[in-house]
Amino acid sequence: GDSVTQTEGLVTLTEGLPVMLNCTYQTIYSNPFLFWYVQHLNESPRLLLKSFTDNKRTEHQGFHATLHKSSSSFHLQKSSAQLSDSALYYCALSPISGGNYKPTFGKGTSLVVHP
Amino acid sequence: EAAVTQSPRNKVTVTGGNVTLSCRQTNSHNYMYWYRQDTGHGLRLIHYSYGAGNLQIGDVPDGYKATRTTQEDFFLLLELASPSQTSLYFCASSDGTGGGSAETLYFGSGTRLTVL
Repeated sequence: GDSVTQTEGLVTLTEGLPVMLNCTYQTIYSNPFLFWYVQHLNESPRLLLKSFTDNKRTEHQGFHATLHKSSSSFHLQKSSAQLSDSALYYCALSPISGGNYKPTFGKGTSLVVHP
Repeated sequence: EAAVTQSPRNKVTVTGGNVTLSCRQTNSHNYMYWYRQDTGHGLRLIHYSYGAGNLQIGDVPDGYKATRTTQEDFFLLLELASPSQTSLYFCASSDGTGGGSAETLYFGSGTRLTVL
């Protein structure tokens, strides 16, 4: 079945340093949608950004990611971390063919940004 | 923005108890999902459905039943609750018609269940 592997566990950064959270995936489908969801403390997950197009950079709220089908990767980046970026981040995959809408989530990466 | 409402927000029960978690979405989405969230495991899919009367088994279904009574309503049932089912439960919905924003999941605010 499908699988998503993320940077595991906890990532701790100093404010102002760049953010890079890794995400790789495996799927039998040739055209998956890849997502990053963000969950702040005591909130529910919400969409941060998503992509379907190979080699196209997607940006939202200062974060960006590029889907690379050749390496099955969708890493999340930001040039300068802010305290408010502290949250739990999930990478997820959703096939869009074959009538299968069962999304697959990674285990999540907890990002803590400190002053 | 899609609206997904879960109830109750918090629930405490005892081992062997009977619990029903409710979820309603008001955006005519086709797909609805039940997840549990636990530290170290992330979001794990319990059951999902693509329409009224339909039920699909997720990745961690043991000990859970689910029922989709209408397009809007999806229930998660724990008939003999156990302490291992203590968790934060999220319901989500998606359009599921293919392309564009159809695959985006919209989450409810969660139900925290404690089984003593």
